[in-house]
Amino acid sequence: DQQVKQNSPSLSVQEGRISILNCDYTNSMFDYFLWYKKYPAEGPTFLISISSIKDKNEDGRFTVFLNKSAKHLSLHIVPSQPGDSAVYFCAATRRGGTSYGKLTFGQGTILTVHP
Amino acid sequence: EAGVTQSPTHLIKTRGQQATLRCSPISGHTSVYWYQQALGLGLQFLLWYDEGEERNRGNFPPRFSGRQFPNYSSELNVNALELEDSALYLCASSQGQSHATEAFFGQGTRLTVV
Repeated sequence: DQQVKQNSPSLSVQEGRISILNCDYTNSMFDYFLWYKKYPAEGPTFLISISSIKDKNEDGRFTVFLNKSAKHLSLHIVPSQPGDSAVYFCAATRRGGTSYGKLTFGQGTILTVHP
Repeated sequence: EAGVTQSPTHLIKTRGQQATLRCSPISGHTSVYWYQQALGLGLQFLLWYDEGEERNRGNFPPRFSGRQFPNYSSELNVNALELEDSALYLCASSQGQSHATEAFFGQGTRLTVV
């Protein structure tokens, strides 16, 4: 049962353009969402997060949008840079209850930014 | 300041053997999380330890076990290894359970079962 899904295994974007990575979830109990970036041979690094009480959160070139009714979130990177090329994972959790401490991850999307 | 460190980086075991993976959290962090990333899949939650106690467990069989030591480092043990256990095992740490969503990951241990 894949509660968090990233349906695009890969995305290719030109440098300077916008990258949009998508993520869908099925568990309506999730109330906190995160994006991680992972380079080869390294562990995932935290990028940006959003609470379910918000619909948008910005941090520099990165913006995460949350549409609770559609159970969908997206990560926008503007402008995209070659150094952004990595695997991006979305993750979700419920802060409290039996799911506490557990992040549920999507399968990841490989982003390639071409110079 | 040192990040989360995991050892060994790579581990090759034979089916049926036991594997032990180690994790040292960031100094001051009391919570340790273990995740499995099998080929083509996302990270699957395995175990969460905080203050020496197991706090939560993912949908994995009992042959996946672990413990947390008084210095907050942790061990993941996988008994009776199966070929499907081949994966990248990632450890993360955070400043206790109130910071579970602010976990930092190590570089992982690549376990190969042959």
